Amino acid sequence: DTGVSQNPRHKITKRGQNVTFRCDPISEHNRLYWYRQTLGQGPEFLTYFQNEAQLEKSRLLSDRFSAERPKGSFSTLEIQRTEQGDSAMYLCASSPRGGFQETQYFGPGTRLLVL
Amino acid sequence: DQQVKQNSPSLSVQEGRISILNCDYTNSMFDYFLWYKKYPAEGPTFLISISSIKDKNEDGRFTVFLNKSAKHLSLHIVPSQPGDSAVYFCAASADTGNQFYFGTGTSLTVIP
Repeated sequence: DTGVSQNPRHKITKRGQNVTFRCDPISEHNRLYWYRQTLGQGPEFLTYFQNEAQLEKSRLLSDRFSAERPKGSFSTLEIQRTEQGDSAMYLCASSPRGGFQETQYFGPGTRLLVL
Repeated sequence: DQQVKQNSPSLSVQEGRISILNCDYTNSMFDYFLWYKKYPAEGPTFLISISSIKDKNEDGRFTVFLNKSAKHLSLHIVPSQPGDSAVYFCAASADTGNQFYFGTGTSLTVIP
């Protein structure tokens, strides 16, 4: 049984560069979520997909952020023109259907450091 | 606006004793609550959940209590073990929403 996987686990980049993260959810999970966690805070919701459709985006997701889930399986999160304030842990989670009172299962996260 | 609050950033407990972690929420629409455990450099791991139709849910050494009138939930760990040392997050969701709202976490240290 494989859980949610994320790659890379760590990314260091210079301000202004673009970065892309990948998330592979638990097999057959229809719902996929992206969260961001900064130091001393809990995870904060960014966006979620039901299969390939992106259904909700947080106001935290600025125009420099874009997420895709092209075939309803893995997802990518791209940050363009990175800023130092983007430094955080980016977490991906998945759930089976996205129904009432359904648990989300998290991956190990991608830690981003923008210099 | 923090809708889920964990007011104790840290807690230290002797091995074998009870650990009690607390969480308060402000949104009366929340109806599903979870506790996650997080080790450094790892993602949160699901621990236990409770629906608003219940006031208690138990799983082995872990019990979650929900007091809806007080908008308060707590996680009891009995007996506490050194391997329980981690950061614990409570999270909440509403039937009308699809995201979880997380608290800021409580770092538990179980002293051998």
